[in-house]
Amino acid sequence: DQQVKQNSPSLSVQEGRISILNCDYTNSMFDYFLWYKKYPAEGPTFLISISSIKDKNEDGRFTVFLNKSAKHLSLHIVPSQPGDSAVYFCAASDSGTYKYIFGTGTRLKVLA
Amino acid sequence: DAGVIQSPRHEVTEMGQEVTLRCKPISGHDYLFWYRQTMMRGLELLIYFNNNVPIDDSGMPEDRFSAKMPNASFSTLKIQPSEPRDSAVYFCASSLRRTGEKTQYFGPGTRLLVL
Repeated sequence: DQQVKQNSPSLSVQEGRISILNCDYTNSMFDYFLWYKKYPAEGPTFLISISSIKDKNEDGRFTVFLNKSAKHLSLHIVPSQPGDSAVYFCAASDSGTYKYIFGTGTRLKVLA
Repeated sequence: DAGVIQSPRHEVTEMGQEVTLRCKPISGHDYLFWYRQTMMRGLELLIYFNNNVPIDDSGMPEDRFSAKMPNASFSTLKIQPSEPRDSAVYFCASSLRRTGEKTQYFGPGTRLLVL
């Protein structure tokens, strides 16, 4: 039973456009969320996080939005660049633990 | 500053053999995590340690898997005996307990193929 779901296994976007990656969760105890990016043959690298006390967090071209009532978060990349092509994982955690539950990932391809 | 170090990077073995994966966390980090990545299940947490003590091993698939952390700078994940369904990429990650932050830093992974 997957507590964190990324329902789109892949996404293609034109360079310069917005990329929107989505993530849904089922556990209402989750209060901290993260996005990781993974290139082939490398480990995942931290991208951006958000606490449940916020509904938006921005870092340069990357913005994460959290909708607690819908148990949904999204990652926006604007503008998308070819170097953003990677697999993106969302992860969730609750305040009582230091462990993450990861989604299955979305492969983003940014077309030049 | 060195990141998380994992060895070997690739391992090919035959079914029934023992496999040992190694991890050196970032110096000073007090949490260490072992994950397995497969196409079907994505990134699954197997076990994690705090200050060298196993905290949660509920993700360890079965008794064939074991993990140890004899000191703050070294951990092993052992599979004995290995089976073809254990083929996956195994990641180690570490983090430092800090108020308001839970970022985990991942190693490059060990790609395991069991024939």
